[in-house]
Amino acid sequence: DQQVKQNSPSLSVQEGRISILNCDYTNSMFDYFLWYKKYPAEGPTFLISISSIKDKNEDGRFTVFLNKSAKHLSLHIVPSQPGDSAVYFCAASGVETSGSRLTFGEGTQLTVNP
Amino acid sequence: KAGVTQTPRYLIKTRGQQVTLSCSPISGHRSVSWYQQTPGQGLQFLFEYFSETQRNKGNFPGRFSGRQFSNSRSEMNVSTLELGDSALYLCASSTGQYSGANVLTFGAGSRLTVL
Repeated sequence: DQQVKQNSPSLSVQEGRISILNCDYTNSMFDYFLWYKKYPAEGPTFLISISSIKDKNEDGRFTVFLNKSAKHLSLHIVPSQPGDSAVYFCAASGVETSGSRLTFGEGTQLTVNP
Repeated sequence: KAGVTQTPRYLIKTRGQQVTLSCSPISGHRSVSWYQQTPGQGLQFLFEYFSETQRNKGNFPGRFSGRQFSNSRSEMNVSTLELGDSALYLCASSTGQYSGANVLTFGAGSRLTVL
């Protein structure tokens, strides 16, 4: 049972345009959502997070939107840069578990073309 | 400050053998968690250790085990290796707060290949 799903395995955008990465979840007990970025041969690095009591969180070029009723979140990167090319993982944690127990999506490979 | 260090970075084993992977967390972090990443899959949670005690366990068979030492360093062990155990094993450390904004810092991983 895949509780967190990223339906797009890959996304390609032009430099300077917006990148939108999507994530859906099924578990209504999730109360915190995070995005991680992973470059080849490196571990994932934390990018941005959002609590379920909010619907938007912004950090520089990165904005995460949460739609609780639709159980959907998205990551917007504006403007996209070639250095943003990486695999992006959506992750969630729930009130009933330790914050270290994250449920991850399968990842989306973002390619930003110069 | 130093990041999360995992050793070895790469290793090759044969079916039936066992393997031990090591993780040194960020200084001051008391929680170490382990994840398995296989091609096409997201990261799958294996277990979490906090103050030398296993606090959470994922849905993996008993062949997968771990421990944490008093200095917060952790090891995970996989016995009777199977071909399907070939994966990237990632360790993450954190302060271990029980909910909400518990950001994990990951190591670069140990790439295990089982032949």
